[in-house]
Amino acid sequence: ETGVTQSPTHLIKTRGQQVTLRCSSQSGHNTVSWYQQALGQGPQFIFQYYREEENGRGNFPPRFSGLQFPNYSSELNVNALELDDSALYLCASSSGLGELFFGEGSRLTVL
Amino acid sequence: SQQGEEDPQALSIQEGENATMNCSYKTSINNLQWYRQNSGRGLVHLILIRSNEREKHSGRLRVTLDTSKKSSSLLITASRAADTASYFCATGIIQGAQKLVFGQGTRLTINP
Repeated sequence: ETGVTQSPTHLIKTRGQQVTLRCSSQSGHNTVSWYQQALGQGPQFIFQYYREEENGRGNFPPRFSGLQFPNYSSELNVNALELDDSALYLCASSSGLGELFFGEGSRLTVL
Repeated sequence: SQQGEEDPQALSIQEGENATMNCSYKTSINNLQWYRQNSGRGLVHLILIRSNEREKHSGRLRVTLDTSKKSSSLLITASRAADTASYFCATGIIQGAQKLVFGQGTRLTINP
């Protein structure tokens, strides 16, 4: 139990739709990162938020966007969904000391 | 892109045996971490070793880091059926943000 909660746990969308995934970070953690994990692969870094500002981004197009709120919770938004966006989306919070605390993920299926 | 590569991709051993997984990476790192994932669920942090450390222990886990060879190993001693999971190495890189670059993982199966 990491204290990081994500919602929804599963969802199904169709191509072209938009999705919002939510994450509540562990108490005291001011940094949130999002990762995409395709089936059979390791997680890939999408972006990181620190004190409500994006401070790092991986190789993902602009249709992947995010927000961090004053209570350090976060959202991941994906517009114009594509079939390849089907994956497990993982949120992780940290206090900046290196170790990440992951939620259980949101599994997105795009049909 | 994946920086780390785990070896082997899959490992099946008997309960009580030791399991060794290896990880290689390509660029300079701040730290290297190992995570565990039960199928389709979130990742659980196991151990972090900094770039200036060579070995670290945590319970039945032993991690080594060789920065000259850009490699690390994770040893799980006296394996248990509950250790069955996927294990990922992740290199910690600071580029503005501290991001982790994961390998593709080793699928470990412990047979009773």
